[in-house]
Amino acid sequence: GAVVSQHPSRVICKSGTSVKIECRSLDFQATTMFWYRQFPKKSLMLMATSNEGSKATYEQGVEKDKFLINHASLTLSTLTVTSAHPEDSSFYICSAEWWGLRLAGEGGETQYFGPGTRLLVL
Amino acid sequence: AQSVTQLDSHVSVSEGTPVLLRCNYSSSYSPSLFWYVQHPNKGLQLLLKYTSAATLVKGINGFEAEFKKSETSFHLTKPSAHMSDAAEYFCVVSDMDSSYKLIFGSGTRLLVRP
Repeated sequence: GAVVSQHPSRVICKSGTSVKIECRSLDFQATTMFWYRQFPKKSLMLMATSNEGSKATYEQGVEKDKFLINHASLTLSTLTVTSAHPEDSSFYICSAEWWGLRLAGEGGETQYFGPGTRLLVL
Repeated sequence: AQSVTQLDSHVSVSEGTPVLLRCNYSSSYSPSLFWYVQHPNKGLQLLLKYTSAATLVKGINGFEAEFKKSETSFHLTKPSAHMSDAAEYFCVVSDMDSSYKLIFGSGTRLLVRP
């Protein structure tokens, strides 16, 4: 099956620093990648959608200048949390979608999820 | 607007007994519905998905779900729980109105007692 990796799996940083999280599709080309945030014992909240080679589309309420997303290739998207603060501590999860599935009539877009990155800002 | 309601935040069953995780959805268009499972420190795994084909969907690990349009439900079931089924389960809806973004329910934590 399709595999998505994330790096690092967990990171601890000081307040005010920036942290970059990588999301890679290992065995397929991801035309679209998604970034989610999951608070403890809560559901996943979509932060943004990124398409390869274009600017990310952010959900309402998500600061695009704080959460920088780059999708430079069909297998890599990065999320950079800039000037991190304790309230940014969370579990960040990416997912990747292969457009070919949608064109093939799969319908119901199937996203393949990474294992997540736990960020703790001190 | 689309939404998903998982009626139970926690479900506890004994090993070997049936599992029922409830999910109701709201969608303006023909939805696609999914169940994902999240084990601790692991990524979300797709259990099954409904995409307007057969209303009874069979997934991995013995799970299945039935799409009932009249009841706007998509409950997840398994005849016999295994200890390894203990995890967090998310019901998810997607449709054209949401630009096919995944809308997650709040999750149900399944506990399996020996």
